[in-house]
Amino acid sequence: LAKTTQPISMDSYEGQEVNITCSHNNIATNDYITWYQQFPSQGPRFIIQGYKTKVTNEVASLFIPADRKSSTLSLPRVSLSDTAVYYCLVGDRDTGRRALTFGSGTRLQVQP
Amino acid sequence: DAGITQSPRHKVTETGTPVTLRCHQTENHRYMYWYRQDPGHGLRLIHYSYGVKDTDKGEVSDGYSVSRSKTEDFLLTLESATSSQTSVYFCAISEPGTANNSPLHFGNGTRLTVT
Repeated sequence: LAKTTQPISMDSYEGQEVNITCSHNNIATNDYITWYQQFPSQGPRFIIQGYKTKVTNEVASLFIPADRKSSTLSLPRVSLSDTAVYYCLVGDRDTGRRALTFGSGTRLQVQP
Repeated sequence: DAGITQSPRHKVTETGTPVTLRCHQTENHRYMYWYRQDPGHGLRLIHYSYGVKDTDKGEVSDGYSVSRSKTEDFLLTLESATSSQTSVYFCAISEPGTANNSPLHFGNGTRLTVT
């Protein structure tokens, strides 16, 4: 099954921009890249999704290079409430979109 | 939040007993998934379903079975629970779009403890 690779943890301070990069070498041609946020005792929550180049919404931006083998989630001006685990997710190359396997995620700690 | 209800929310059971977890959705989404989450392992896919009576294995399916007799319900069964199955179990749903771009929506999880 295709796997994603992310840094295990990151630290930041309030007001800073945070960039989390995910490596996904086996991404399928037709697949999208999706990022999720998870707080303790809750299920993951959708943040942003993209296919190529750049996508921006009200909470984040997603940068995807031309080869699509990696992606970078950018959180502008983080606050304490952004402390969470962040996962990137892509479809599996062999079984398609149906089997979705998460990596270990990146634990972001935002300090005052 | 998407209409996903997991039951029970908490369960303590003894080794060797059967356990069934239920995921109920009101979104009429075709795809449903069961994940388990353990410290240091992130989310691991157990089984998934791409329609009524259509299911397939994920990466950690041993010791688990699933059933989907109607669109809204996806059941996960531990035939004989073991301590290694102590975990938090999450159900997720999605509706495939025209370009594989349907995000997952998760329930709030079931915390299962096997003693």
